[in-house]
Amino acid sequence: GAVVSQHPSWVICKSGTSVKIECRSLDFQATTMFWYRQFPKQSLMLMATSNEGSKATYEQGVEKDKFLINHASLTLSTLTVTSAHPEDSSFYICSARVLAGGTKQSHEQFFGPGTRLTVL
Amino acid sequence: QKEVEQDPGPLSVPEGAIVSLNCTYSNSAFQYFMWYRQYSRKGPELLMYTYSSGNKEDGRFTAQVDKSSKYISLFIRDSQPSDSATYLCAMSVWEKLTFGTGTRLTIIP
Repeated sequence: GAVVSQHPSWVICKSGTSVKIECRSLDFQATTMFWYRQFPKQSLMLMATSNEGSKATYEQGVEKDKFLINHASLTLSTLTVTSAHPEDSSFYICSARVLAGGTKQSHEQFFGPGTRLTVL
Repeated sequence: QKEVEQDPGPLSVPEGAIVSLNCTYSNSAFQYFMWYRQYSRKGPELLMYTYSSGNKEDGRFTAQVDKSSKYISLFIRDSQPSDSATYLCAMSVWEKLTFGTGTRLTIIP
């Protein structure tokens, strides 16, 4: 249980294009989903927190107009990198927190496999 | 000063050895503590989750939390080559996780 999927697993795009990354919780409902980015040999940096049906909360320094987050349902969140540039190339990882009251601890976060974005 | 400090390694130990991984933290409000394992180019996998001081054991893994010293540890017994990965500690007050930088571990056959 507690499987989170991401699609696509890797994407290469031209500078100026937009890229959408999907994050799905496959076998549980997630109250909250998180989006992280990770640069090579560095730790995960939280970009934003999204709750189903409400606007995402962005971390300081993260441009909300550039990284659009939509949390359409309790099992799906999307991150759109708009007008991507080479400096946006990174490993993007989502995680999902379990809906409280289930069999899993409500504070545990389960991570997707990540999406590697390369902007040329 | 970072909220969570973790030695990045790399750490290499022979197969079968006991591995000790550690993190220190400065925010006394942290109450949930986790260890994740991350293989190269993959997402982190939750290994251990604790919310109180003391030890928690799961198979070959033992997580230890000392809130008075603001120090957490992960011990791996009978280490295997498949344990070679980056190990990330993470902690939170509520839902927002703060990660350590990760320790790169290699188990030598």
